[in-house]
Amino acid sequence: DSGVTQTPKHLITATGQRVTLRCSPRSGDLSVYWYQQSLDQGLQFLIQYYNGEERAKGNILERFSAQQFPDLHSELNLSSLELGDSALYFCASREAGGGTGELFFGEGSRLTVL
Amino acid sequence: GQNIDQPTEMTATEGAIVQINCTYQTSGFNGLFWYQQHAGEAPTFLSYNVLDGLEEKGRFSSFLSRSKGYSYLLLKELQMKDSASYLCAVREGNYGGATNKLIFGTGTLLAVQP
Repeated sequence: DSGVTQTPKHLITATGQRVTLRCSPRSGDLSVYWYQQSLDQGLQFLIQYYNGEERAKGNILERFSAQQFPDLHSELNLSSLELGDSALYFCASREAGGGTGELFFGEGSRLTVL
Repeated sequence: GQNIDQPTEMTATEGAIVQINCTYQTSGFNGLFWYQQHAGEAPTFLSYNVLDGLEEKGRFSSFLSRSKGYSYLLLKELQMKDSASYLCAVREGNYGGATNKLIFGTGTLLAVQP
């Protein structure tokens, strides 16, 4: 158990719909990262937040948005869903302070768009 | 940006040694990570290199050459449970800085056979 919590674990929805994925980082971690993993692709970096502020953006579609709240949990909102959005969405947090700066990943939210 | 290359698949025999290579091209390098990911599960941290040389951790070792943009992960005394994807990831940004995103390769799927 990495200490990073993601909900829901599984989600099935239809094209055109909107969903929200939730992530709670490890206690004490200030950074939250979102990644998308499709069947034929590796982990694609979407966006990073640090202590409530957006710090880095990757290949995140305009239909997707995210935020980090004062209690440091984060939400990833996916709207106007398309079949191609079906993927595993991982959240990760990075330990504050020293160490290797490795990312600790949650179990992921598996999104299926029908 | 980053370009990270690793072989797509490898096969090895239980009890043997396997080396998984990773090459990268970067505009900003601040460390290289190896993660293990079993199908449908979260990636888990294996090793970290920021300086040239070999880092050993039990049955796993990782090597880095920054001048060559090259790393490898060495797995010894292979076990069936080592069958998984192995992800090479390069960190962009400054260590300790707020932007420390990891850019992942597409992963190497290792099959360990009896």
